[in-house]
Amino acid sequence: NAGVTQTPKFQVLKTGQSMTLQCAQDMNHEYMSWYRQDPGMGLRLIHYSVGAGITDQGEVPNGYNVSRSTTEDFPLRLLSAAPSQTSVYFCASRKGAYNEQFFGPGTRLTVL
Amino acid sequence: AQKITQTQPGMFVQEKEAVTLDCTYDTSDPSYGLFWYKQPSSGEMIFLIYQGSYDQQNATEGRYSLNFQKARKSANLVISASQLGDSAMYFCAIPKTGGTSYGKLTFGQGTILTVHP
Repeated sequence: NAGVTQTPKFQVLKTGQSMTLQCAQDMNHEYMSWYRQDPGMGLRLIHYSVGAGITDQGEVPNGYNVSRSTTEDFPLRLLSAAPSQTSVYFCASRKGAYNEQFFGPGTRLTVL
Repeated sequence: AQKITQTQPGMFVQEKEAVTLDCTYDTSDPSYGLFWYKQPSSGEMIFLIYQGSYDQQNATEGRYSLNFQKARKSANLVISASQLGDSAMYFCAIPKTGGTSYGKLTFGQGTILTVHP
């Protein structure tokens, strides 16, 4: 099992550009989430999903879109990048509400 | 709404001593759980320990144990015999297990632990 994979590992964008952060898991987990982590800070939930076709907003959803067309994939789209979106982005998945959450290695995004 | 709080931004401990990291929570779910994760300076998130609200005994995993006090709504992590490799950021997290926002996993702000030789 590859676990949770994220691409790219690093990305630099200019203000106003759009891009998609990819996330995939091969553990057949129903729950998937996207978090952002700013330097020295905790994890803030952007969007999450409890199954294919079901998504919901977290604490900081503005400027981001998600979709969940398959169990395996949960891409995060930045619509129009802003410097405030400079952060490390983690994708995570787990089997159910009470189960351990597995994290991807993170994507370090810089918006100039 | 659920809330989870870690009130210690930073903690220091001498190698081989025990340390307790605090975590308090607020939830309206009748059944819930509490997770602890470790994030070393390399950045990856490492699962340490979990306990459910209906578990009778405090969870232990090697040198990690959970001091779960439901009446106080606290679930503190105890690390025994600290090692230099324990220096990291530690997060507690609570899932939403009922009602609206079912499935959210909310993290605390984190505590940076530094182990001194």
